Amino acid sequence: ILNVEQSPQSLHVQEGDSTNFTCSFPSSNFYALHWYRWETAKSPEALFVMTLNGDEKKKGRISATLNTKEGYSYLYIKGSQPEDSATYLCASPNYGGSQGNLIFGKGTKLSVKP
Amino acid sequence: EAGVAQSPRYKIIEKRQSVAFWCNPISGHATLYWYQQILGQGPKLLIQFQNNGVVDDSQLPKDRFSAERLKGVDSTLKIQPAKLEDSAVYLCASSHARGRYGYTFGSGTRLTVV
Repeated sequence: ILNVEQSPQSLHVQEGDSTNFTCSFPSSNFYALHWYRWETAKSPEALFVMTLNGDEKKKGRISATLNTKEGYSYLYIKGSQPEDSATYLCASPNYGGSQGNLIFGKGTKLSVKP
Repeated sequence: EAGVAQSPRYKIIEKRQSVAFWCNPISGHATLYWYQQILGQGPKLLIQFQNNGVVDDSQLPKDRFSAERLKGVDSTLKIQPAKLEDSAVYLCASSHARGRYGYTFGSGTRLTVV
């Protein structure tokens, strides 16, 4: 069964700090890695879908990298703002189950203090 | 485009009562997912539909949970009877093409069983 791990579980930073989180996944039979941001009382929002080893994607102050050979992805936030406070989820499709439904990690909860 | 609609947003019921959740996916998305997210854990797939057919319900507790997707559009998820451990956020999501471009989530239903 595909196992997706995230660290740290929670993170508290000051406004303006840069931060990063880790997502690890099995490197065999890799297909894709998804990142979502989930703010309280809102819908989880897709940030990135990454498929290629060495891929880097950027959306404003948020960027992500992917290493499929060693099975990890980093999410970076530059100059954190209070509105970045959310739970960040990573997920990978379970193609071992043939249907491609996403297997999620437990998330990293980020709190940014003004 | 309109997002994934879910209702209700919140529900409090007593154990052994029944509850139903409704989801209207993005127009044209063939695949619909119901996820359960228990506090402190990542979202876990309950059931996946392709059009109006079930493609994965291996983690659905079928003695108490049921789901249907009539005419390949709206879906309902029912719990009968509810247990305390069913307290969770129930997320509906939809996608194109097995989610290779990411999922679009609804805002979820927060269920509390007392």
